Amino acid sequence: DAKTTQPPSMDCAEGRAANLPCNHSTISGNEYVYWYRQIHSQGPQYIIHGLKNNETNEMASLIITEDRKSSTLILPHATLRDTAVYYCIVRVVSGETSGSRLTFGEGTQLTVNP
Amino acid sequence: EPEVTQTPSHQVTQMGQEVILRCVPISNHLYFYWYRQILGQKVEFLVSFYNNEISEKSEIFDDQFSVERPDGSNFTLKIRSTKLEDSAMYFCASSRRRGGYNEQFFGPGTRLTVL
Repeated sequence: DAKTTQPPSMDCAEGRAANLPCNHSTISGNEYVYWYRQIHSQGPQYIIHGLKNNETNEMASLIITEDRKSSTLILPHATLRDTAVYYCIVRVVSGETSGSRLTFGEGTQLTVNP
Repeated sequence: EPEVTQTPSHQVTQMGQEVILRCVPISNHLYFYWYRQILGQKVEFLVSFYNNEISEKSEIFDDQFSVERPDGSNFTLKIRSTKLEDSAMYFCASSRRRGGYNEQFFGPGTRLTVL
């Protein structure tokens, strides 16, 4: 799986959009970008994933650059409960035979301030 | 909404003792995982399990560790002879599928403290 680089920490004001960047310059064509988060010692929580098109769900939006070497997770209206460590993970996707493990890096500690 | 549950939430044990951590995955999921997180460190993959056998394991998952699905609902992680360095949060996860686009759903974790 490709290596990812994220800033160690970010701050965001409550109610504003939080934009979390991730670099994955060595990503290959069959690798997806996944985002998980971990709220203080709880189990990681899936947020969103994408290949090359932008994706949106009820939690967040994922913007992937055209060359796929970086992406941004957007929380449109951050709340205090969004304070967490956010992990960007790149995984091979090639059907049922692809790897099953998730490889977590250090992630970005997002702090949402009142 | 279905969720993964884990028991106990906190386990304290003496070094050298055996511990069993229990997990109830989401009912229609077929793939099961254990991860651990030592305090202040990254979440680390231990093992994945499908169709009553290990499908992948990390270098951490040595002979002291074993996993089992003793019945249709539980998934357990056994540590035969605990060491101080086994102290960590242990997270169980499950997914409907193994590879592909699967999302892994994590439980709340069991905090294991080895004294």
